[in-house]
Amino acid sequence: ELKVEQNPLFLSMQEGKNYTIYCNYSTTSDRLYWYRQDPGKSLESLFVLLSNGAVKQEGRLMASLDTKARLSTLHITAAVHDLSATYFCAVGNSNSGYALNFGKGTSLLVTP
Amino acid sequence: EAEVAQSPRYKITEKSQAVAFWCDPISGHATLYWYRQILGQGPELLVQFQDESVVDDSQLPKDRFSAERLKGVDSTLKIQPAELGDSAMYLCASSFWGDSTDTQYFGPGTRLTVL
Repeated sequence: ELKVEQNPLFLSMQEGKNYTIYCNYSTTSDRLYWYRQDPGKSLESLFVLLSNGAVKQEGRLMASLDTKARLSTLHITAAVHDLSATYFCAVGNSNSGYALNFGKGTSLLVTP
Repeated sequence: EAEVAQSPRYKITEKSQAVAFWCDPISGHATLYWYRQILGQGPELLVQFQDESVVDDSQLPKDRFSAERLKGVDSTLKIQPAELGDSAMYLCASSFWGDSTDTQYFGPGTRLTVL
């Protein structure tokens, strides 16, 4: 069974600070996704990582993938309040039709 | 920009009643997923369709849940009878078969409350 673990589950950080969210998964996978969810809303796709060493950046967020370590990171640079949300990593596997296995999410609060 | 449509957005029902949710995927997306998200958790797959065929329904509680996608376009998820533990957000997602990224696009969800 594919398991996806995120840490931390809760994160409160000050504006302007940097931080990293970690996502570990238990079995081989050929793609990893990061989604954002605002309270009461649906999921918004942020990044798709398809290969070892893949790095993608959008604004203050940068995601990377190490398939050998089965680890992905989401790095936040100079956080701003608008980044407050819950961030999910999800792993897809061709053997399961690419249905996603999600972590529990990291609830991020950026404070002044 | 094309979006996944879901209705209703909110549903309150009493236990033992029947409920149904509807999803219309992005045009041209052959793959459709239903996920259930309990408050404070990540979404969990209930059922996956490829066109009108079920690819995976291993996590669907078949004694009370059913899902169909008769013409390979829109889909309906039904619960009968609803139980208290079914209170959750039900999310529909779709993806384009053959897209190298297989990105799933999620609809706004249906929030179900069972009283």
